[in-house]
Formats: sequence, C-alpha cells, structure tokens
Amino acid sequence: EAQVTQNPRYLITVTGKKLTVTCSQNMNHEYMSWYRQDPGLGLRQIYYSMNVEVTDKGDVPEGYKVSRKEKRNFPLILESPSPNQTSLYFCASRSGTGPNSNQPQHFGDGTRLSIL
Amino acid sequence: GQQVMQIPQYQHVQEGEDFTTYCNSSTTLSNIQWYKQRPGGHPVFLIQLVKSGEVKKQKRLTFQFGEAKKNSSLHITATQTTDVGTYFCAGPGGGATNKLIFGTGTLLAVQP
Repeated sequence: EAQVTQNPRYLITVTGKKLTVTCSQNMNHEYMSWYRQDPGLGLRQIYYSMNVEVTDKGDVPEGYKVSRKEKRNFPLILESPSPNQTSLYFCASRSGTGPNSNQPQHFGDGTRLSIL
Repeated sequence: GQQVMQIPQYQHVQEGEDFTTYCNSSTTLSNIQWYKQRPGGHPVFLIQLVKSGEVKKQKRLTFQFGEAKKNSSLHITATQTTDVGTYFCAGPGGGATNKLIFGTGTLLAVQP
C-alpha cells in the first residue's frame, strides 16, 4: 500500500531536549516536505527536499533541521525544542521535481508534538 | 511574501444546504490544488486546476479557477454530514521555488 509513515504519532517532551520525527514514503517520490498546522494559520511549510541531498527552506524553517540521505526518508529534527514549536506536524511527498510541479501531495497521519 | 487566504474561516450549515469557500492569492498561480482534511485526519488531495477559468466537478463538488488565476472556489451542493472537515487550497510558491503555499483553510460543520 502506498503510504507516508510518520513516527511518533504523539510526543510530549520538555524544552531543550533534542527530538527527531521520522518520515518514510514507499512511493519512490522525489519531493518530500514537512508542514506544521496551527489553528487559524493553516498548513505552513517548514522544509522541503527535491531529491537526495537537496533541501530547501519553506516559510517557517527557524528552529528545525532536516536531512535527505535516502530517497525514502526525510526526518525532521528539533535540536532544542521550545514551547512555540508545539504543533501538529505533517510529512508529505509527491512525484516530480520541476518548479511549480502540480503533482498531488500524499500526507502522513501527522505527529502531535507538545513541548513543555 | 506570497499569501493565500481563504474565506470564510468557519461555516456551519444544515444538512442539505449549499456551501462555498473562496481562495485568494496575492500572486498569480500556475495551478491550484484543493485538499480536504477530516477531523483528526490528514489532508487528502481532491483536485487540481491549471487553466484560467477552468471548472471541474466531482459529484456534488464544483471547483473553479479564476480568469486571472489568482482566486479559486469550491462549491458543495446539498451538503451531507460526510462533507464535514477543513478544506484547503494550495498553490506553488512561484518562481523557481518548489514551495507549496496552503491557504488558511475553511472548516465546514454540517448539522444533520
């Protein structure tokens, strides 16, 4: 089954304790992306990756890191989490790498992070 | 920077009533996509529009792309309780970027 898998689904942690949210897709998609969803703000893009070893900032990259060592995986790293990073996070992937590619994005089930 | 706004932010309707959400971009879009997110779920792709003035239908859902390619709408005829959720539009970030800019979303509540 084609899917995007995120882990963990839920996490409560404390300020400053490094954490990683994993994302894996089995569709051989080139493009992967991370979003955060907050009430009234919709989905905001954090980082995206066009392909292995190619990553770019989205609209809200501060406080986050990503890596793309393999095509299927795109982990999101919070080196020193803060309470304002409490949010619902989604990983997504799609095929295609061209600018303005109009391929649909496939989303994972989401990760709810609470930073105390 | 580029912004994509949606109105209304929230709409409550009686089952059987119609519903429309509007999406407005600050810049011209090469294409626009629509997603639906059920409560507690993740966004799911519905459709994409590419041509100026394009209209597409999916059963009771009608999607329209404006002539200037800066706005779009989603209209649902005779809503059902299964239509409950948040509807998002999304467009490319423009230029050579591969950003995707999502609208703020419209939450639809349907009362049986």
